[in-house]
Formats: sequence, C-alpha cells, structure tokens
Amino acid sequence: DTGVSQNPRHKITKRGQNVTFRCDPISEHNRLYWYRQTLGQGPEFLTYFQNEAQLEKSRLLSDRFSAERPKGSFSTLEIQRTEQGDSAMYLCASSLDGGVNEQFFGPGTRLTVL
Amino acid sequence: AQSVSQHNHHVILSEAASLELGCNYSYGGTVNLFWYVQYPGQHLQLLLKYFSGDPLVKGIKGFEAEFIKSKFSFNLRKPSVQWSDTAEYFCAVNEYSSASKIIFGSGTRLSIRP
Repeated sequence: DTGVSQNPRHKITKRGQNVTFRCDPISEHNRLYWYRQTLGQGPEFLTYFQNEAQLEKSRLLSDRFSAERPKGSFSTLEIQRTEQGDSAMYLCASSLDGGVNEQFFGPGTRLTVL
Repeated sequence: AQSVSQHNHHVILSEAASLELGCNYSYGGTVNLFWYVQYPGQHLQLLLKYFSGDPLVKGIKGFEAEFIKSKFSFNLRKPSVQWSDTAEYFCAVNEYSSASKIIFGSGTRLSIRP
C-alpha cells in the first residue's frame, strides 16, 4: 500500500497524559500536513511541513501541541497534558511539491481523552 | 480569511434521484477548489478538483462540479445517485499555487434510500 499511513489508528488516554501520533506520507511527497476533525465538522488545518521545515502553524495549535518531521519523511504530532477537548480525529495528508496542491489523506488517528 | 460554506447539513435521497450539493467560498483571489468524499469507515478521498480551464469538472463515479466565479460557487452534481454514494461530502478551497492549507467546509451527509 503506497498511500499515507497513520499510527495508531485509535488512542484512548486519560486527561493529563502525553500522546504521540505518527504519519508516514506517500514516499515521493515532500509536503506533509496535519489536520484535526471533530464530529460534524470538516478537517481544520493544524500545521504543514515542506521537507523537514515547519512552514505554517495554525492558531489552533496551542503550546501543548508539537509536530516534527526530522528527516523530511515521517512526521510525529505530540500532544502534552491532554485535555478532553483534544478528543478528535487527527488527519495527516501529503502532497507533491510545485504546481497544484492535491493532498492525499491518511486514515487518521482517533484520540479519545477520558 | 478564506472560508467555505456548505448549505446542506444532511441530504436524504432515493436511488436514481438527482443530486446537487451547494458550496460557496469566500476568497478574493484565484483559488483551487476540491470536493472530497468520506465513505463510512474510510478515509477522505478526492472526488474532483478544479484548478483552471473548463469550469465544468468531471470526477470519479459520475460526479461533476461547476465553478461559477461570479457566484463564488462550486456545486457538486450527479444525475442519478446510487445507494453506494452514501457518504459525507466536503467542499474545500485553497489559494491558487499555494502549498499551504486547504480550507474545508463543514460537510454534507448524504443518505441514499435503497
């Protein structure tokens, strides 16, 4: 399967714990995006990488959130001191550099904070 | 700021009925426009996209969309729906030639009665 993959697919945690999600983009894609989707809403942009550089961060991304893409391939999204409001589906997408920006999405990681 | 409005939250149709889902966007410049679909239990998939040229865009599974610049609209249509079209449909926009985020609408849930 050469699509975008995300792990884990589901995560249940207690409030105050830290969680980390991983995204593996399509291999030749150098752009990588993180979105968050809550029930009844469309995905909301969190942050975006071009290779290993984090080029844009949404105001939704509080100080408790951090994302990395150390070698320009896979990316991790960490949430520290989780809160119940962090419960959502976290989506990763990737796209090719240059020209149009057709983003390919992964299956997401569903986070439940108890 | 860019925004996307989808007027119908939930649409219920019988098989073979015609479909039109409304989408309006707010942005003053040139845009790329997308419709994504999310089938039950599956991840977001691109249905069709508009970047330039012919404003009538054809996508997969018999869907099409028409970009009307003067109305800032990009409505999705299908002449005859099938039960397998049951899904959530998201209209989305991003700035032309931008590598940045896609802005999604809140989605329209389509239910098809067999």
